[in-house]
Amino acid sequence: RKEVEQDPGPFNVPEGATVAFNCTYSNSASQSFFWYRQDCRKEPKLLMSVYSSGNEDGRFTAQLNRASQYISLLIRDSKLSDSATYLCVVILNRDDKIIFGKGTRLHILP
Amino acid sequence: DTGVSQDPRHKITKRGQNVTFRCDPISEHNRLYWYRQTLGQGPEFLTYFQNEAQLEKSRLLSDRFSAERPKGSFSTLEIQRTEQGDSAMYLCASSQGQPNEKLFFGSGTQLSVL
Repeated sequence: RKEVEQDPGPFNVPEGATVAFNCTYSNSASQSFFWYRQDCRKEPKLLMSVYSSGNEDGRFTAQLNRASQYISLLIRDSKLSDSATYLCVVILNRDDKIIFGKGTRLHILP
Repeated sequence: DTGVSQDPRHKITKRGQNVTFRCDPISEHNRLYWYRQTLGQGPEFLTYFQNEAQLEKSRLLSDRFSAERPKGSFSTLEIQRTEQGDSAMYLCASSQGQPNEKLFFGSGTQLSVL
């Protein structure tokens, strides 16, 4: 099983819809989790951290399910500008290894 | 600009040549990471430094790859005897380290090996 797995997509979603995708991780010792956004031919940029209690930032909600070892990202009222690849990041605090998923491509359709 | 900077932005080289990339992290960040990314894939970890100490190297980093961070500031990544399979985007990122491991990436160096 890969350390971090994501559905590569693409997710084709009409503007204004709600979309959610998950990321599973294999190591139960994983301690920190993040979502990054990467636009085509650009570097990844931090979107949000994922806390045990879940967190929300505007239209974006991130949640962690430790029992099932996955994190999720929910985007409400999607905008055309949300089109990007969303990368899941997991940190194993034991050795501070930072692992990226392969990303989920999201296309918001007008 | 106080972000992470990488040089060059693009590098085209012939197979068998050596190439060197440079990364200047955010000045107060003591951790520096190198990643490699190919089209359709997420960034793959190569190595990272805590100040000048190289703490971990990926198995992906063959003996043709070497990275340094001599004074705990900028870092260089050298690839010797380049192969076509080395063609990728090489990304550098820096962070303040624990407990805040938020990574800030440079724009990357796109390497094309002909």
